[in-house]
Amino acid sequence: SQTIHQWPATLVQPVGSPLSLECTVEGTSNPNLYWYRQAAGRGLQLLFYSVGIGQISSEVPQNLSASRPQDRQFILSSKKLLLSDSGFYLCAWSDGLGYTFGSGTRLTVV
Amino acid sequence: GENVEQHPSTLSVQEGDSAVIKCTYSDSASNYFPWYKQELGKRPQLIIDIRSNVGEKKDQRIAVTLNKTAKHFSLHITETQPEDSAVYFCAASISGANNLFFGTGTRLTVIP
Repeated sequence: SQTIHQWPATLVQPVGSPLSLECTVEGTSNPNLYWYRQAAGRGLQLLFYSVGIGQISSEVPQNLSASRPQDRQFILSSKKLLLSDSGFYLCAWSDGLGYTFGSGTRLTVV
Repeated sequence: GENVEQHPSTLSVQEGDSAVIKCTYSDSASNYFPWYKQELGKRPQLIIDIRSNVGEKKDQRIAVTLNKTAKHFSLHITETQPEDSAVYFCAASISGANNLFFGTGTRLTVIP
């Protein structure tokens, strides 16, 4: 069966520090991978999606970047965090039949 | 990309009553419309979905209706229970279950 792992679960980082969130998927090949951000009390904003290794599409201009070094690995990064980067980050994968979300990372930038 | 609007943002109902959440979408090419339930601090979970070739779909107490002409779809929960309390998100996609664009969510509170 397919599973999705996302870590860490919570993170507190100072402004200006770097960020790396990782997401891995098991039990499937060539999935579409996504990063969403959910600000407090708000909806899910699509940040990046990837249809294959090295292929990244960005939906909104921002302080973040994404990479897909392996088929089932998706990484969200930042060189310098801003206060506005705080939020709940969700990784998801899709095989065209449905979405499965990771358990999320709650990032607080202080 | 697609623009999905959802309302109301908050909804309180008495236990046993029905709840209705409505969404509109902008891209007439959208063909997949799922609904997700997110409990506090947890990941969104798919509860029901509908594709553009169907007008209505029902699963026990939950139903979704789709009006392609008006570009809106709705979630109906009947006989609500306290455990239905959560945030509900609608979403739409033009490419099946890929590249979902989500509404802003509805916080449903079921009052015992």
